[in-house]
Amino acid sequence: GAVVSQHPSWVICKSGTSVKIECRSLDFQATTMFWYRQFPKQSLMLMATSNEGSKATYEQGVEKDKFLINHASLTLSTLTVTSAHPEDSSFYICSARDRTGPNYGYTFGSGTRLTVV
Amino acid sequence: GQSLEQPSEVTAVEGAIVQINCTYQTSGFYGLSWYQQHDGGAPTFLSYNALDGLEETGRFSSFLSRSDSYGYLLLQELQMKDSASYFCAVIRAGNMLTFGGGTRLMVKP
Repeated sequence: GAVVSQHPSWVICKSGTSVKIECRSLDFQATTMFWYRQFPKQSLMLMATSNEGSKATYEQGVEKDKFLINHASLTLSTLTVTSAHPEDSSFYICSARDRTGPNYGYTFGSGTRLTVV
Repeated sequence: GQSLEQPSEVTAVEGAIVQINCTYQTSGFYGLSWYQQHDGGAPTFLSYNALDGLEETGRFSSFLSRSDSYGYLLLQELQMKDSASYFCAVIRAGNMLTFGGGTRLMVKP
């Protein structure tokens, strides 16, 4: 089945630094990838929709200059958290849908747990 | 805007049947999906309903009533490994998923 590989699985960074998270669709082409953020024991909140070859679409309240998204190819999307602060500590997950798949199931990456100290 | 309501917690015993309800309000509704997420893990796809009725996949079934903006996930023959969070999610225009708050299912022996 469709696989989305996400790296790193966890990262600890100092306040003020930037962190890049990568998501790759391994056996299918993903023209669109979605980025979510999840705080402990809460739901997944859509941050932005990443479109290959064009600008990402951000949800209301998400700072586009802080969460930089690049989708340079049909299999790779990256999320860069710039000038990270402790309140950015969260679980970040990407997802994509294999359009050739039999159903409307979205495949999720394994997630990245970001801790900003 | 969109909103999905589901119970925050459900507890059941091994071997039992449990139903997790989901009501939603959204524009541009395409279908309702269900995802399972174990602590620390990523969500995994369980089922999808675009039309009214029941979809069965092994021990899990999902139901949708579009006129009532309501759906449920039915888990049968509960096993300890089914302890997890379950999210209903609406698929809307642009193929975007909006998730409910999640239901934490605890299966006891």
